[in-house]
Amino acid sequence: AQSVTQLGSHVSVSEGALVLLRCNYSSSVPPYLFWYVQYPNQGLQLLLKYTTGATLVKGINGFEAEFKKSETSFHLTKPSAHMSDAAEYFCAVSDPQGGSEKLVFGKGTKLTVNP
Amino acid sequence: EAGVAQSPRYKIIEKRQSVAFWCNPISGHATLYWYQQILGQGPKLLIQFQNNGVVDDSQLPKDRFSAERLKGVDSTLKIQPAKLEDSAVYLCASSRDFSSYNEQFFGPGTRLTVL
Repeated sequence: AQSVTQLGSHVSVSEGALVLLRCNYSSSVPPYLFWYVQYPNQGLQLLLKYTTGATLVKGINGFEAEFKKSETSFHLTKPSAHMSDAAEYFCAVSDPQGGSEKLVFGKGTKLTVNP
Repeated sequence: EAGVAQSPRYKIIEKRQSVAFWCNPISGHATLYWYQQILGQGPKLLIQFQNNGVVDDSQLPKDRFSAERLKGVDSTLKIQPAKLEDSAVYLCASSRDFSSYNEQFFGPGTRLTVL
């Protein structure tokens, strides 16, 4: 069974500082990996995804993530935080060889950006 | 293109009552998902439809939850009778087909409070 662990339920950064949100996964097969963002009272929006190919993936709003198989990690980064980045971020994994290819989400990390 | 629509946005009921949620996916999307998001946790897949057939309902509490997608378009999720632990946000998502290569688009959710 697949699982996702997001280290740190809350992360606080200053505006302009580096954002680093950690995600580790467990999967018996090469997974697909995703980061979603959720703003208050809204649904989830896809930030970026890794399926195959280049391990450094660029997404929307200046975010990127790197798939590191040896570390079973898929950490999300952004060089310079903006106030509008304050939201909750979810890492998810799916098994592309499974029957339903369902997403398994982590518990989320709430990002606060201080002025 | 219009997004995933859900109604109602908020619902408060007492335990043992019944409740139903409605979802209209993005036009042309064959796959529809219902997720349960309990406060402080990531979304958990309840049921996945491909057109009007069920692909995965392994995590749906079938003694009290039911879902249908008649005609392969909109869908209804029902809880009967509700328990206190059913308090959560119920998210509907859709994608072009069930391959996880395809992005899932999420609706704003229905926040259910069971008293």
